[in-house]
Amino acid sequence: AQSVTQPDIHITVSEGASLELRCNYSYGATPYLFWYVQSPGQGLQLLLKYFSGDTLVQGIKGFEAEFKRSQSSFNLRKPSVHWSDAAEYFCAVGSPWEGYQKVTFGTGTKLQVIP
Amino acid sequence: DVKVTQSSRYLVKRTGEKVFLECVQDMDHENMFWYRQDPGLGLRLIYFSYDVKMKEKGDIPEGYSVSREKKERFSLILESASTNQTSMYLCASGGGGSPLHFGNGTRLTVT
Repeated sequence: AQSVTQPDIHITVSEGASLELRCNYSYGATPYLFWYVQSPGQGLQLLLKYFSGDTLVQGIKGFEAEFKRSQSSFNLRKPSVHWSDAAEYFCAVGSPWEGYQKVTFGTGTKLQVIP
Repeated sequence: DVKVTQSSRYLVKRTGEKVFLECVQDMDHENMFWYRQDPGLGLRLIYFSYDVKMKEKGDIPEGYSVSREKKERFSLILESASTNQTSMYLCASGGGGSPLHFGNGTRLTVT
């Protein structure tokens, strides 16, 4: 069965510092990969997605992610964090074996930004 | 813009009550999903539907059922609510290789 691991439950960074959120997946083939962000009291918003092609993916709000097949990773990065980036971030994988209909989420990483 | 609307933001129900959570999407998506979100556990799939009247169990279907009579509407039903079903419930549509679009969630408290 597919699985997604986000090893960091909580991360604190200073405003203006760089950010990297880790995501590893377990799967036998190349899945679809996503990063979502959830602000307090809100639903999830898509930041970016990887389906195929260029392994460096650009998303909204200045985020990017890099797919590394050899490491089964899809880490999210931002060069300079803003206070408004404080939220919870979820990595997700879509299953090729089920027509990509079923998406599995990681447990999330909560980002705190300090001034 | 895709809009997924959940009928209630907050619900408080008593143990044993039958509870309906409603979700409507306006993008003609074939796939719709119900997730449950709990701290430290992320999102867990309860049920999904890939067509009208079609449904598939997710990872945690026990204690829940669903209904999809129309393409735009997907209902989650708690037949007899229990306190361990207190949670945030998120509806989504899309998938099938396209991103999911989420509603703002329903926070259900069962007392």
